[in-house]
Amino acid sequence: DGGITQSPKYLFRKEGQNVTLSCEQNLNHDAMYWYRQDPGQGLRLIYYSQIVNDFQKGDIAEGYSVSREKKESFPLTVTSAQKNPTAFYLCASSIVSGTYLGANEKLFFGSGTQLSVL
Amino acid sequence: GQQLNQSPQSMFIQEGEDVSMNCTSSSIFNTWLWYKQDPGEGPVLLIALYKAGELTSNGRLTAQFGITRKDSFLNISASIPSDVGIYFCAGQSGGYQKVTFGTGTKLQVIP
Repeated sequence: DGGITQSPKYLFRKEGQNVTLSCEQNLNHDAMYWYRQDPGQGLRLIYYSQIVNDFQKGDIAEGYSVSREKKESFPLTVTSAQKNPTAFYLCASSIVSGTYLGANEKLFFGSGTQLSVL
Repeated sequence: GQQLNQSPQSMFIQEGEDVSMNCTSSSIFNTWLWYKQDPGEGPVLLIALYKAGELTSNGRLTAQFGITRKDSFLNISASIPSDVGIYFCAGQSGGYQKVTFGTGTKLQVIP
């Protein structure tokens, strides 16, 4: 079955520790994204990548890092510089298609990773 | 970063009732998307709208792309318990532009 797989489902981080969240997709989508969700708030974009070996900062990139070495994979590292990392993290992917003016991107999401601080 | 204004923030309804929620923006969008999120899961796409004035249905769900391109509406008819969840709107302004999400409407259905 095609889809987006996030792992682990739950993750705990100690003070000063870096942790990496995995995201894999077999939908052959070009673009991948990481969002952060806090209770009662909408989704905020951390990083996105439109193509392999290229990625862009979103609205809240500080304290996070990503890589895009393969089309299928877009791991997110939450570094020790992120002082408030507790949140639900969502990975998404999309087909980038159409012309610049008429393009539309339907985002498809993974099932999320809940990160908590010990 | 910009977020869309979504209302209401939460609502309790009786099973069988119809539900309406809306999303407004200060910016024009070329695409409006509506998602539903169950607790502890990722959002699932319900309806995608691509043209101003467009009205699209998906079963008991109907969504409209506002004429001004700055708003969108989602209606759910004859609600059932499994409609419970958080509904998000999202807008996208053009190719290769990031998607902006609303703050969500939490729906609870009383059997």
